Amino acid sequence: AQSVTQPDIHITVSEGASLELRCNYSYGATPYLFWYVQSPGQGLQLLLKYFSGDTLVQGIKGFEAEFKRSQSSFNLRKPSVHWSDAAEYFCAVGTTSGTYKYIFGTGTRLKVLA
Amino acid sequence: ETGVTQSPTHLIKTRGQQVTLRCSSQSGHNTVSWYQQALGQGPQFIFQYYREEENGRGNFPPRFSGLQFPNYSSELNVNALELDDSALYLCASSLDASPDTQYFGPGTRLTVL
Repeated sequence: AQSVTQPDIHITVSEGASLELRCNYSYGATPYLFWYVQSPGQGLQLLLKYFSGDTLVQGIKGFEAEFKRSQSSFNLRKPSVHWSDAAEYFCAVGTTSGTYKYIFGTGTRLKVLA
Repeated sequence: ETGVTQSPTHLIKTRGQQVTLRCSSQSGHNTVSWYQQALGQGPQFIFQYYREEENGRGNFPPRFSGLQFPNYSSELNVNALELDDSALYLCASSLDASPDTQYFGPGTRLTVL
């Protein structure tokens, strides 16, 4: 079955510290992978995406993610977190079998301590 | 700013009523997908419309229906509302139905009492 797992429901980091949000997927074909961020009461903003090529992907706001096929992972990283990064982060797989749609993880809520 | 808008922002209905949510896609985007995001969950795929035809459906009952219009607007209709329909409803537009990035609107928060 196709699924996305974000093992960490909540993460708290201090401002200026590094961040890694985990994402594991289960999908039979080559995945299209995405990270979105959602601020309270807002829609989803695309941070970055991976379709093919270089497995290290750069996104907006200083985020990057690395696709590791052997581990079925697509973890999101940021070297130095800012208070404005506090939000909920969603990993998604774009399915290429049948109707193209996203399968989302349950999200990781990031809290940033001043 | 994705260029995708949704209305209304918030809506309160009672059980058994019907509701229509609206979405305006980016100009030139022929595909709109609708997602339901329950509290504390990730978005779940409801259905997709491509060039005004339904192009796929998730695990939602037929009382969830939709329309897409030639002017890049679309609707999500829900009949016989249930308490569990309370959620944030997101529409996402994309250029076409092939694998590509979907651009999300801000959502409509539906509360069913």
